[in-house]
Amino acid sequence: GESVGLHLPTLSVQEGDNSIINCAYSNSASDYFIWYKQESGKGPQFIIDIRSNMDKRQGQRVTVLLNKTVKHLSLQIAATQPGDSAVYFCAENIMNTGFQKLVFGTGTRLLVSP
Amino acid sequence: EPEVTQTPSHQVTQMGQEVILRCVPISNHLYFYWYRQILGQKVEFLVSFYNNEISEKSEIFDDQFSVERPDGSNFTLKIRSTKLEDSAMYFCAIADRINQPQHFGDGTRLSIL
Repeated sequence: GESVGLHLPTLSVQEGDNSIINCAYSNSASDYFIWYKQESGKGPQFIIDIRSNMDKRQGQRVTVLLNKTVKHLSLQIAATQPGDSAVYFCAENIMNTGFQKLVFGTGTRLLVSP
Repeated sequence: EPEVTQTPSHQVTQMGQEVILRCVPISNHLYFYWYRQILGQKVEFLVSFYNNEISEKSEIFDDQFSVERPDGSNFTLKIRSTKLEDSAMYFCAIADRINQPQHFGDGTRLSIL
């Protein structure tokens, strides 16, 4: 079936720490994954994506790791800042002929203390 | 700034009434989507729209829902006869190509009384 889930609903860290948010997916045929950040009252904001032909992709202070063997994704945020406080969703891109849709995980709330 | 503007930001409606939620992309895009997020829950796919027709819809998107792009710019979601359980945030998203990131608006909060 199609499902994407998160292990930890809330992650609390101190400013300056590194944060790791995890995600499991179930559709082994999926080949494209996206992390979104959602702040209160806003829509999901694109952070970083990764395709299944890669194991790792880096952005500015963020890194996504993909382990296809165990169907696991993680988002690493370096030197976490108070502005990183938000809910983070992983999303699995489900494709079929002529369309695509995102299947979102349940989300992890990241709380960053000064 | 989001690549789409959604209006209204908040809609309060009596049960049984019709609502129309609007989405205006900042620039031309090919693929359009509606998602919904019930308070405290994950974002759920409703419908995808390409080349002026629905390409896929979820089980949530029943006969009470419809979408259209009437003037080539606005993209609308209509709920004909709202129910209490339709209360949620509704997000419009756009993409330029298949297998590219979808970009979301800031949503419309729909409250059904």
